[in-house]
Amino acid sequence: AQKVTQAQTEISVVEKEDVTLDCVYETRDTTYYLFWYKQPPSGELVFLIRRNSFDEQNEISGRYSWNFQKSTSSFNFTITASQVVDSAVYFCALLNSGYSTLTFGKGTMLLVSP
Amino acid sequence: GAVVSQHPSRVICKSGTSVKIECRSLDFQATTMFWYRQFPKKSLMLMATSNEGSKATYEQGVEKDKFLINHASLTLSTLTVTSAHPEDSSFYICSARDWAGSEQPQHFGDGTRLSIL
Repeated sequence: AQKVTQAQTEISVVEKEDVTLDCVYETRDTTYYLFWYKQPPSGELVFLIRRNSFDEQNEISGRYSWNFQKSTSSFNFTITASQVVDSAVYFCALLNSGYSTLTFGKGTMLLVSP
Repeated sequence: GAVVSQHPSRVICKSGTSVKIECRSLDFQATTMFWYRQFPKKSLMLMATSNEGSKATYEQGVEKDKFLINHASLTLSTLTVTSAHPEDSSFYICSARDWAGSEQPQHFGDGTRLSIL
């Protein structure tokens, strides 16, 4: 069985603070893919990143960075110098190779205040 | 980038009405589309997987006769909530994945907020 845990239900920060959203996953497969999606208040889900299980290199995209550690089954997401526009619910998701469906975590609501 | 259009964005209707929601991939061909339901402050719950030209695969506990899914072309899937009741009120969101492979990211529509009075 596969499972994604986002232990932080809600995080509140002040603008310009750095914030890390945690994601821990469980899977028995050796080949799998991890995703992060952003859901702003308007409701749509925005794809942020995909990472396959064989690529543990960390990735940086502007203010966003991701730390993938297979040893701890974690795929954490850090926003540096947060902005009010970053306020949203962020979902981590897992896709096992051979399956077509995503397993989502429960999401972390990030509130960035001015 | 890949764009998925979902229509309508909001529906308010009386109990007993059937409601159709459309999901279109605008700039790519989607062999597989997914329909999710999301309750307030909750995660996305997969309802069904829709493959072009074949019957949808429903998740356990989802009534196939209640939630009719049609995926007639590579760019369009529809979800019809038949004889909707207040308990069907929710946020429905579709996603589409192109033909390149199951590991490709799903691209999501903007969602449909359904309110049954």
